[in-house]
Amino acid sequence: NAGVTQTPKFRILKIGQSMTLQCAQDMNHNYMYWYRQDPGMGLKLIYYSVGAGITDKGEVPNGYNVSRSTTEDFPLRLELAAPSQTSVYFCASDRGQGETQYFGPGTRLLVL
Amino acid sequence: AQKITQTQPGMFVQEKEAVTLDCTYDTSDPSYGLFWYKQPSSGEMIFLIYQGSYDQQNATEGRYSLNFQKARKSANLVISASQLGDSAMYFCAMREVGGGTSYGKLTFGQGTILTVHP
Repeated sequence: NAGVTQTPKFRILKIGQSMTLQCAQDMNHNYMYWYRQDPGMGLKLIYYSVGAGITDKGEVPNGYNVSRSTTEDFPLRLELAAPSQTSVYFCASDRGQGETQYFGPGTRLLVL
Repeated sequence: AQKITQTQPGMFVQEKEAVTLDCTYDTSDPSYGLFWYKQPSSGEMIFLIYQGSYDQQNATEGRYSLNFQKARKSANLVISASQLGDSAMYFCAMREVGGGTSYGKLTFGQGTILTVHP
């Protein structure tokens, strides 16, 4: 089992560029999440999904978009990158309810 | 809205001693789960321990135990016999499971940096 995988591990973007952060899980989890972690801070929820075709906003959704066409994949799209989006992005998944949430290794994004 | 507070930005402990990391929470949902995660300098998030709001006993996982005091809304993590490898950032998190707009989402505290001295 690979668990939750994320690509790329690190990326530098110029202001105004766009990119997609990839996330995949092989645990057949219905719930998937995207968080961002700014330096020295806790994680903040960007978007989440409770199943294929269903997504909803989290605490800090502005500047991001998501889609969930399959159970396995949950890509995060950054449009018009801004320096404020410099952060570490974590994808996570679980079965819902009170189940343990499993995290991917993170993607470090630097916007210059 | 749910909220998690970790009041200790940093903690120091001597190797082989026990340490308690504080966490208080606020929620109006009677059904919720409390989690602790460890984030070493390498950056990954490692699940440590879980406590459900209706669990009668405090959760334990090896050297980790959760001191759950529901009336005080606190969920402190106790690490016994600290090891050098325990040096990391520790996050307390909560999710509401009783429904509503926050269903399923984890809310994180700001974290506590633990340093274990030899």
